[in-house]
Amino acid sequence: QVHLVQSGAEVKKPGASVRISCKASGYSFTNYYLHWVRQAPGQGLAWMGIINPSGGSTDYAQRFQGRLTLTWDSSTTTLYMELTSLKSEDAAIYYCAMGVTRPYNCDYWGQGTLVTVSS
Amino acid sequence: DIQMTQSPSSLSASVGDRVTITCRTSQSIGTYLNWYQQRPGKVPQLMIYGASSLQSGVPSRFSGSGSGTDFTLTISGLRPEDFVTYHCQQSYSIPLSFGQGTRLEI
Repeated sequence: QVHLVQSGAEVKKPGASVRISCKASGYSFTNYYLHWVRQAPGQGLAWMGIINPSGGSTDYAQRFQGRLTLTWDSSTTTLYMELTSLKSEDAAIYYCAMGVTRPYNCDYWGQGTLVTVSS
Repeated sequence: DIQMTQSPSSLSASVGDRVTITCRTSQSIGTYLNWYQQRPGKVPQLMIYGASSLQSGVPSRFSGSGSGTDFTLTISGLRPEDFVTYHCQQSYSIPLSFGQGTRLEI
């Protein structure tokens, strides 16, 4: 049984950074790509980036280039997402997700982490 | 980058109705199109992948079709629990992208 368990809600000031974790369990960790997707209040889903746990290669959406870093800790089977230089527009629920049926699908999702950005 | 146009943004229907939601992509993506259902305050769930393959456990009243640039999600015989939000997503190329979402209202 696949489980993706994310860290708790964060409150950050503009200009700060946020780091969210996503603990993976219940599957072969190197077989499946992991994604980050966010959803601003009342808005749709926005894909942020992807990491291949086997080797650690990443791809990011252009809009987050330079601010977003995804890393995988194989010793703890935990995915990390760091977003720097936070703006008010970064306030959202952040989800990790895993592609199983196809690498670029999001078959399993974490429970989401609410990030509030406020001065 | 592939742009997604999902329509309508909201749709009113009644229990028992048949409804169709459309997703159009800015370039051909074969059948690399997924549909997700999201209940209020909940995590999105993959319902249909590869344009027409039902994820395990998804009721057969849900169906997907299309290829190239035009795709549809059809729900036949709407049930009360179906009145939530649906998102399309292209899984053809990076950067991946989602449609704007369709809110199905009773």
